[in-house]
Amino acid sequence: GDSVTQMEGPVTLSEEAFLTINCTYTATGYPSLFWYVQYPGEGLQLLLKATKADDKGSNKGFEATYRKETTSFHLEKGSVQVSDSAVYFCALSGGSYIPTFGRGTSLIVHP
Amino acid sequence: GAGVSQSPSNKVTEKGKDVELRCDPISGHTALYWYRQSLGQGLEFLIYFQGNSAPDKSGLPSDRFSAERTGGSVSTLTIQRTQQEDSAVYLCASSVTGVGETQYFGPGTRLLVL
Repeated sequence: GDSVTQMEGPVTLSEEAFLTINCTYTATGYPSLFWYVQYPGEGLQLLLKATKADDKGSNKGFEATYRKETTSFHLEKGSVQVSDSAVYFCALSGGSYIPTFGRGTSLIVHP
Repeated sequence: GAGVSQSPSNKVTEKGKDVELRCDPISGHTALYWYRQSLGQGLEFLIYFQGNSAPDKSGLPSDRFSAERTGGSVSTLTIQRTQQEDSAVYLCASSVTGVGETQYFGPGTRLLVL
């Protein structure tokens, strides 16, 4: 079945540091890939998505590129802020109505 | 427009009591999902609705858990005879039709079973 593996956290960075959160997936067919973000005490919200190979999703300075050859969708941001502190979930949605989520990666950004 | 709403936002109950959690999806969304998120954990899929039908109930942890959806809109998740291990955040999400689409999440119901 489908699966998503993302790096374990917490990831702790200083403000303005470069961020990478790795995500790899296993799926049949050509799924859509997503990054969701969950701020403390809230539900998940879409951060960005990509629907086909080589697409780049971007939002709020975050980027991720759909790499079919490496089955990856790594999240990057050039300069993180304290307000980016949250839990980030990588997910895929393909042939099934049930999406597959990674376990989440906690990001802590210090001033 | 209005997003996904859930009620109550917090619920404290005693072991053995029944609880009902409500989800109002975005109008027009036919797909509705319930997830459970235990403290510091990822998402655990519980049940999926397409319209009023639940083609996939595979994630419900026991027969104490049930859910229904009426009018293709509001959904209720019921937990009977609650146990302490049921304590978690219950998240609801909806999407337009389901496959390959963005999910829109509610803020969750935080359930504490004493």
